[in-house]
Formats: sequence, structure tokens, C-alpha cells
Amino acid sequence: GEDVEQSLFLSVREGDSSVINCTYTDSSSTYLYWYKQEPGAGLQLLTYIFSNMDMKQDQRLTVLLNKKDKHLSLRIADTQTGDSAIYFCAESITDDYKLSFGAGTTVTVRA
Amino acid sequence: NAGVTQTPKFRILKIGQSMTLQCAQDMNHNYMYWYRQDPGMGLKLIYYSVGAGITDKGEVPNGYNVSRSTTEDFPLRLELAAPSQTSVYFCASSGTVNSYEQYFGPGTRLTVT
Repeated sequence: GEDVEQSLFLSVREGDSSVINCTYTDSSSTYLYWYKQEPGAGLQLLTYIFSNMDMKQDQRLTVLLNKKDKHLSLRIADTQTGDSAIYFCAESITDDYKLSFGAGTTVTVRA
Repeated sequence: NAGVTQTPKFRILKIGQSMTLQCAQDMNHNYMYWYRQDPGMGLKLIYYSVGAGITDKGEVPNGYNVSRSTTEDFPLRLELAAPSQTSVYFCASSGTVNSYEQYFGPGTRLTVT
């Protein structure tokens, strides 16, 4: 199976909060990332968290990491139509430059 | 800076044909990567390079070849295209081994019929 797993779809009303969840299997993961892919475009790094952190906040984005359960989440506050995209969770290990990606969560923001 | 550029944006190949997907970056990054993205799947690493003259296989290298003669360019070669190679191909680069960000190109959508 996949090393990184995500639910495939999320629908959210404009102005509400979105929460995207991810689980990973490699306990030696050092960096965990959230990438955003807009239609027809490449992936763009949204935020990342080191494995020695529990939480990271960056404007409307909050990343929570539960190392015990190997669970990562991304919360987007006040979701806007421009947040409609595919969100990928990814992991890497120190000194290993390769990323392992989840399948991506398609977020649809409805009015 | 243009970042990571890829050509072509779209391509249709017949089974058995060959082609080269071009990738270039102007950020002087040592690390470059080729991924494929299939519907409903995460990105899979095809090949990567840690510097000019050095390449290595990723998870799904069969049917592909790469070269890295310069820091800037990292072309991906498909020999004898097969329908299973229908996918969206992304090239990416990063600056150092601990660089937390990979910069992605816009992708090449390839259909093999």
C-alpha cells in the first residue's frame, strides 16, 4: 500500500474551515509537507513541519502533527474559492532528498 | 527567474514511438527529479539527479532514461512508448539535500494511444 494516505475528496462551504488529514507510515520521517496543486499547474509548497514540532501556524494555515499516531492535518481557516485545489501530503527523511507523496485530497469550495 | 520549465505541455504518441520531455531550471539547483502523476495516485518518482553527470533510479524507472549533462537541464527519454506511460509528468528541483522545498514545473500531459 501507499506510504502516505489521504482521503480523496473534501467539500467545504466558503468561509468555513477545511481540515485535510494524512497518515504516514515511516517513523523516521523528518519533514512533512503540504503541497497545493491548482488545475493545470505544478505543485507548490504550502507549508512544512519538522517532526520535532507538534504544530505550526502560518496565516490561515495550521498544521498539526501527532507523531504517536503518525497523523498530519492541515487546517485552512476561512476557506475561499481560491483554495479549491488538490492538496498533497508528503514526507521525507533527513539526508534523503526524495519525497513520498499521498494521492492528494481534492478540495472543492462551494458558495 | 523562470524557475522550472517543461516542454512540451501536451503530447500524443503512438505506441512504440519515442520522445524526450525537456526540463530546465535556472535556480542553480543541484537536485532534480522526474515524477509521474496518475489519476487518483500520488506522485511517483521516476528518476532523480544529485548533480551534473549523476543520475539514479526512483520507484518507477522502467521504460525511461535520463541524462544530466549540465546543472540546468534534466531531460527524460521515453523509448518505445506504451499506453501505461500515459500520465502527467512533472519535473522538480531543489537546492540542497535538506532543502525542504522542491520547485515543480507546470507538467507535461502525455497520452500514448
